[in-house]
Amino acid sequence: DAGITQSPRHKVTETGTPVTLRCHQTENHRYMYWYRQDPGHGLRLIHYSYGVKDTDKGEVSDGYSVSRSKTEDFLLTLESATSSQTSVYFCATTLGTGINSPLHFGNGTRLTVT
Amino acid sequence: LAKTTQPISMDSYEGQEVNITCSHNNIATNDYITWYQQFPSQGPRFIIQGYKTKVTNEVASLFIPADRKSSTLSLPRVSLSDTAVYYCLVGEIRAAGNKLTFGGGTRVLVKP
Repeated sequence: DAGITQSPRHKVTETGTPVTLRCHQTENHRYMYWYRQDPGHGLRLIHYSYGVKDTDKGEVSDGYSVSRSKTEDFLLTLESATSSQTSVYFCATTLGTGINSPLHFGNGTRLTVT
Repeated sequence: LAKTTQPISMDSYEGQEVNITCSHNNIATNDYITWYQQFPSQGPRFIIQGYKTKVTNEVASLFIPADRKSSTLSLPRVSLSDTAVYYCLVGEIRAAGNKLTFGGGTRVLVKP
């Protein structure tokens, strides 16, 4: 949907290591988002971007950083992975704002921190 | 942000109509209502969106009463492939996606 590719699709890493997840979109959407999904919590917004080099924090941003150097790429970095960051991570995009710009999601990255 | 309340789960049978009601008692004047569908191992997918009365597309209908304190997603003649989690979201008309909050959703199981 909206040409969103997340990589990797699955990753296992050890506690304390840095991890970078990539989201790539081909639709030239302005806004990009990173969510995490955990049982009992639904989807929670980590960070979002409203343009190249313009990012802001979401609901659960501690321990995460993001970068957007190009319109099509939005990177999520776990600076020092912890077991509490084991989750499924979804990238999403919207063309603009408001009622005619629904979220388009990628298929997720399943991250396990051991 | 307007809080939404949905049933945790619903069971249905193939060919039946499924109606999922979402409560949003503190919806604001500038808020609209959006529904998403999520299959296992996939990201949520936009289904339908509305502000008031009735909206229909090729997938579903959305009924919103005059007071807008609730909304009902109607899935006509469901099939096994409609088994999924359905999320109701309420958000500002001019806001970007960062203003939307996902709740726990309703898990719909369609049985043969």
